[in-house]
Amino acid sequence: DVKVTQSSRYLVKRTGEKVFLECVQDMDHENMFWYRQDPGLGLRLIYFSYDVKMKEKGDIPEGYSVSREKKERFSLILESASTNQTSMYLCASSLVQYEQYFGPGTRLTVT
Amino acid sequence: AQSVAQPEDQVNVAEGNPLTVKCTYSVSGNPYLFWYVQYPNRGLQFLLKYITGDNLVKGSYGFEAEFNKSQTSFHLKKPSALVSDSALYFCAVRDHSNYQLIWGAGTKLIIKP
Repeated sequence: DVKVTQSSRYLVKRTGEKVFLECVQDMDHENMFWYRQDPGLGLRLIYFSYDVKMKEKGDIPEGYSVSREKKERFSLILESASTNQTSMYLCASSLVQYEQYFGPGTRLTVT
Repeated sequence: AQSVAQPEDQVNVAEGNPLTVKCTYSVSGNPYLFWYVQYPNRGLQFLLKYITGDNLVKGSYGFEAEFNKSQTSFHLKKPSALVSDSALYFCAVRDHSNYQLIWGAGTKLIIKP
């Protein structure tokens, strides 16, 4: 079974803090994704990566950056957290042409 | 423009009755279609996909989906609903230009005992 893990299930941070969300997959997938999920807005793609050290902006990249130094790990960075970044963050991975597999999610609260 | 629509925010079904969660799509080329389920405070779980072949696709937990090219639909179905099927369901279609998924807004399925 594919396993995608995320570093935290729940996280509380203060406004202005730098926040790191980590995601690791164990199936040697090329593609990795970061989404945020908000009520009524569905899933919105923040960034994705199709290879090590490669990244592409998704629909809502502002206020975020990513890092992919190793194939299995994809990090999402909030440079200066703001209250409007309070959300559920979902990481996913996939082979190039197939379905995405998701981690359990990180519920981030910024106060 | 490529898109996915889930026309119902919520579907209510009595336990034991058949259920249908609707999805329509608009995409250039042959569609690759997916259904996912999300239980409260959890990530999304893959249920099934249509790539090519038989229009009726079977997936996890007794779910199936019917691809209808003329109606550009991919409705999720189950012959007999369980209370444990209550969850949020997402339909998605692959954007062939960049391999990303285009997501529907989700449908909350409530199964009442």
